[in-house]
Amino acid sequence: DGGITQSPKYLFRKEGQNVTLSCEQNLNHDAMYWYRQDPGQGLRLIYYSQIVNDFQKGDIAEGYSVSREKKESFPLTVTSAQKNPTAFYLCASTASREDYGYTFGSGTRLTVV
Amino acid sequence: AQSVTQLGSHVSVSEGALVLLRCNYSSSVPPYLFWYVQYPNQGLQLLLKYTSAATLVKGINGFEAEFKKSETSFHLTKPSAHMSDAAEYFCAVSNTGFQKLVFGTGTRLLVSP
Repeated sequence: DGGITQSPKYLFRKEGQNVTLSCEQNLNHDAMYWYRQDPGQGLRLIYYSQIVNDFQKGDIAEGYSVSREKKESFPLTVTSAQKNPTAFYLCASTASREDYGYTFGSGTRLTVV
Repeated sequence: AQSVTQLGSHVSVSEGALVLLRCNYSSSVPPYLFWYVQYPNQGLQLLLKYTSAATLVKGINGFEAEFKKSETSFHLTKPSAHMSDAAEYFCAVSNTGFQKLVFGTGTRLLVSP
């Protein structure tokens, strides 16, 4: 079945280390997104990509970086510059249609100690 | 820019009671509207979507929503709550042009026996 796979489900890192979260989709979707979710704050957009080798900053891009070398993959790196990286991270994808909606992965919970 | 407002960060109902989760949107053009559900430590799952085909939209798990242009609302309802409905619910609106969903802050539904 088609879908989005995020790995790992849980991730622990020491403060000051960079960490990369994986997101892979086999839906042949053009666009992919990264969201951060904190309790009581809903979903905040970090980065998104509409086509391969192109991506745009979202509302809270500082301290994060992404790449889109393949249509299926959109990894997110949380750098040491991110002040408060502990959060639940969600990846999503969609076909290039306004009425399509998003398909979400199951998320990665990152804890920095 | 389009936005959605979800009234009430928490809604409590008894099992078997009516569920009503409120969502109001701001849009200068006919929007595409979505409701998503999120269970703990999981991604978001599409419940239903409005794409102008019909004002009353039926979704999964017995939920439905009615698009009311005069009230700029898209409230989510279910006639009889079940314990398994306890989750967080997000309303979202699609921007014109390339799709970038704008999410509300979410409403947590609590169901008591």
